[in-house]
Amino acid sequence: EVQLVESGGGLVQPGRSLRLSCTASGFTFGDYAMSWVRQAPGKGLEWVGFIRSKAYGGTTEYAASVKGRFTISRDDSKSIAYLQMNSLKTEDTAVYYCTKSVTTVTTFDYWGQGTLVTVSS
Amino acid sequence: SYVLTQPPSVSVAPGQTARITCGGNNIGSKSVHWYQQKPGQAPVLVVYDDSDRPSGIPERFSGSNSGNTATLTISRVEAGDEADYYCQVWDSSSDHPGVVFGGGTKLTVL
Repeated sequence: EVQLVESGGGLVQPGRSLRLSCTASGFTFGDYAMSWVRQAPGKGLEWVGFIRSKAYGGTTEYAASVKGRFTISRDDSKSIAYLQMNSLKTEDTAVYYCTKSVTTVTTFDYWGQGTLVTVSS
Repeated sequence: SYVLTQPPSVSVAPGQTARITCGGNNIGSKSVHWYQQKPGQAPVLVVYDDSDRPSGIPERFSGSNSGNTATLTISRVEAGDEADYYCQVWDSSSDHPGVVFGGGTKLTVL
């Protein structure tokens, strides 16, 4: 059974940093791209970024709203994906979901339960 | 940047057919995916690549995509189908490629 478990969320002040983790199980983690999608309270879904599998270079893509501030990485030996968030803004407040991609990088077939990040002074 | 437009809400009686649209410029040339999100839960993929269903998704869920509109059709609607539905594409046409979600449609079962 595929499971994705996010951790690391919480309350953080504007301008500070936070790192989220996504621990995966139930599939060969290294074979798939992993993505992060967020949802502000009462709002819709917003893509944050993804990291391709090592077979496709392990490269990353980001939404314009987070590019230069957020970094996605992966540790295939531990089956963990990370989202490093720097220079956080109040508008980054959201539930952050980790997702697994299907064979196409941008189709998300499994989602974690999400972790809430609140950026506030 | 590419924009996907969904109606904010759709209402349907149990047993009837619900159609949720997703509009975008020449969306028929893209692969469209649909997600269902119930309150307090993570989204679930219900249709991918315009019209394919993941395993475990009922045949009542189907999709189509042509021209400037993609459609998610839910036949024989049940109370348990009440949820928010989001369409999604990959946009490679702009100067900043990325994943795009529609604004979401709240399906109400009367």
